[in-house]
Amino acid sequence: DVKVTQSSRYLVKRTGEKVFLECVQDMDHENMFWYRQDPGLGLRLIYFSYDVKMKEKGDIPEGYSVSREKKERFSLILESASTNQTSMYLCASDTGVGSYNEQFFGPGTRLTVL
Amino acid sequence: AQTVTQSQPEMSVQEAETVTLSCTYDTSENNYYLFWYKQPPSRQMILVIRQEAYKQQNATENRFSVNFQKAAKSFSLKISDSQLGDTAMYFCAFMKRNFGNEKLTFGTGTRLTIIP
Repeated sequence: DVKVTQSSRYLVKRTGEKVFLECVQDMDHENMFWYRQDPGLGLRLIYFSYDVKMKEKGDIPEGYSVSREKKERFSLILESASTNQTSMYLCASDTGVGSYNEQFFGPGTRLTVL
Repeated sequence: AQTVTQSQPEMSVQEAETVTLSCTYDTSENNYYLFWYKQPPSRQMILVIRQEAYKQQNATENRFSVNFQKAAKSFSLKISDSQLGDTAMYFCAFMKRNFGNEKLTFGTGTRLTIIP
């Protein structure tokens, strides 16, 4: 089974802190994604990566950056956390090849910024 | 740009009944995929069912089936013989058909509760 893991289930940070959210997948997937999930807004794409060291902005990249130094790992970085970044963050991956493109999701990190 | 609309924020149904979740989308693309994802209270999102737009036949997966109306840009999910384990958030999603580097566009979700 594909497994996508995220470094923390719950995280509490202070305004202005630098925050790292880590995601690891174990199925040699090409593509990896970071979403934030908010009630009434669904899932919104922050960034995605289709190869090591490659990244593309999603729909809401402001205030975030990403890093993908290894194929299996995709990090989301909040350079200076703000209260409006309190949210659930979901990581996902897919094969990037073929026509199926099912995305596999991690369990999520609920981030609270005080 | 694509948009996906789920007009039912919450629904509830008695166990063993049938329930239909609505989804509409807007796109100028002709080749694409549509998905329903389920997010149980434990939060891990999983794929329920998918539909390829070029296929006229509606997809089915056990108790889950879709009603895909391409001209109307409608993609509803029917759950038959609903079970307590079907309680979850359900998200409709759209993806352009490409060579693998496409992204999902999600709707806002429907919270479904199955009542014992």
